[in-house]
Amino acid sequence: GAGVSQSPRYKVAKRGQDVALRCDPISGHVSLFWYQQALGQGPEFLTYFQNEAQLDKSGLPSDRFFAERPEGSVSTLKIQRTQQEDSAVYLCASSLGVGMTQETQYFGPGTRLLVL
Amino acid sequence: ELKVEQNPLFLSMQEGKNYTIYCNYSTTSDRLYWYRQDPGKSLESLFVLLSNGAVKQEGRLMASLDTKARLSTLHITAAVHDLSATYFCAVDFGNEKLTFGTGTRLTIIP
Repeated sequence: GAGVSQSPRYKVAKRGQDVALRCDPISGHVSLFWYQQALGQGPEFLTYFQNEAQLDKSGLPSDRFFAERPEGSVSTLKIQRTQQEDSAVYLCASSLGVGMTQETQYFGPGTRLLVL
Repeated sequence: ELKVEQNPLFLSMQEGKNYTIYCNYSTTSDRLYWYRQDPGKSLESLFVLLSNGAVKQEGRLMASLDTKARLSTLHITAAVHDLSATYFCAVDFGNEKLTFGTGTRLTIIP
């Protein structure tokens, strides 16, 4: 079956531009996560949705970062006024939902963002 | 602070040898995951460990969890080239999100 998909796969932005990154989770998955992975590092949590509710946004690095999942399926991560330090791979993951056993998070291919 | 530490960070192994990657974490959890990442690719789920003493094996890889010691190990048996990748452990500290280790970059040398 289809896995988690993300678009675009690569994005080059000039400093100060706004960008929007899209995530399509596995169909039927209730939980959706965004992570940021800097070069040579492990992924770091940004935010988490259960259906359309954003339950945790403690990892968002600044108020320039905003995420939404209005219908409980597709999610968009928006970064306003991009800065060079925002350059990273942005990973989306989905899982079946709270209370399920073996709640593996399945990751998408990521969006590689480069801010010049 | 919720922390996950892996060692070693880098590992070069000869084909056919055995080795172990260690993952320590800072506070109680009984949900630990191992992922593999190839260069430029996303993370592939390898193992889910959900209880003390859990052991899972797939091919040449075996993972175990000791929740009392807050330690998980990933053991590689008779390494082959296609195991070269970066391996991450990740812990759910009860808040649904995953806290990842720094990763172990494994290179298998012929």
